[in-house]
Amino acid sequence: AQSVSQHNHHVILSEAASLELGCNYSYGGTVNLFWYVQYPGQHLQLLLKYFSGDPLVKGIKGFEAEFIKSKFSFNLRKPSVQWSDTAEYFCAVNSGNTGKLIFGQGTTLQVKP
Amino acid sequence: NAGVTQTPKFRVLKTGQSMTLLCAQDMNHEYMYWYRQDPGMGLRLIHYSVGEGTTAKGEVPDGYNVSRLKKQNFLLGLESAAPSQTSVYFCASSPHSNHNEQFFGPGTRLTVL
Repeated sequence: AQSVSQHNHHVILSEAASLELGCNYSYGGTVNLFWYVQYPGQHLQLLLKYFSGDPLVKGIKGFEAEFIKSKFSFNLRKPSVQWSDTAEYFCAVNSGNTGKLIFGQGTTLQVKP
Repeated sequence: NAGVTQTPKFRVLKTGQSMTLLCAQDMNHEYMYWYRQDPGMGLRLIHYSVGEGTTAKGEVPDGYNVSRLKKQNFLLGLESAAPSQTSVYFCASSPHSNHNEQFFGPGTRLTVL
């Protein structure tokens, strides 16, 4: 069965620090990869997605992620975080033709002003 | 457009009671999904639908039933609630493709005593 693993469960950073959140998946076929964000009290919204092509994808709010097929990884990065980036971040994978998403456990990011 | 809406927003049930959660989307999406979100476990798929009149089991379907009588609505039922079903429930919808993001509703926080 497919699974998604996010290594960091809780990350605390100061403003302007760089961010990298790890995500690994366990499926050898063609996959589509997503990062979603959930701000406090809000619903999930899409940060970025990868389907094919350039393995470095850019999303909203300065986030980017790199797909490394050989490592089954899709890590999320941001060069300089802001207090407003405080949220929970979820990596997700789908395959097949039903659009079903498998989510990682989530990483809670706390940015100190 | 309202996007994806869910009712109710909050509910408290006693063990053994039943209830139905309603999800509605006004984006004419084919696919709809029900997830539950629990601390440290990310989002797990309960049931999903790839079109009006069709439903299928997800990762954690036990204790839940669903119906998709109209394209825009996806109902999640709990016939006999249990404390283990205390969770936040999210509905999502997406167009007909694996490459499309899922759009999430605001969630329903359910407590079963």
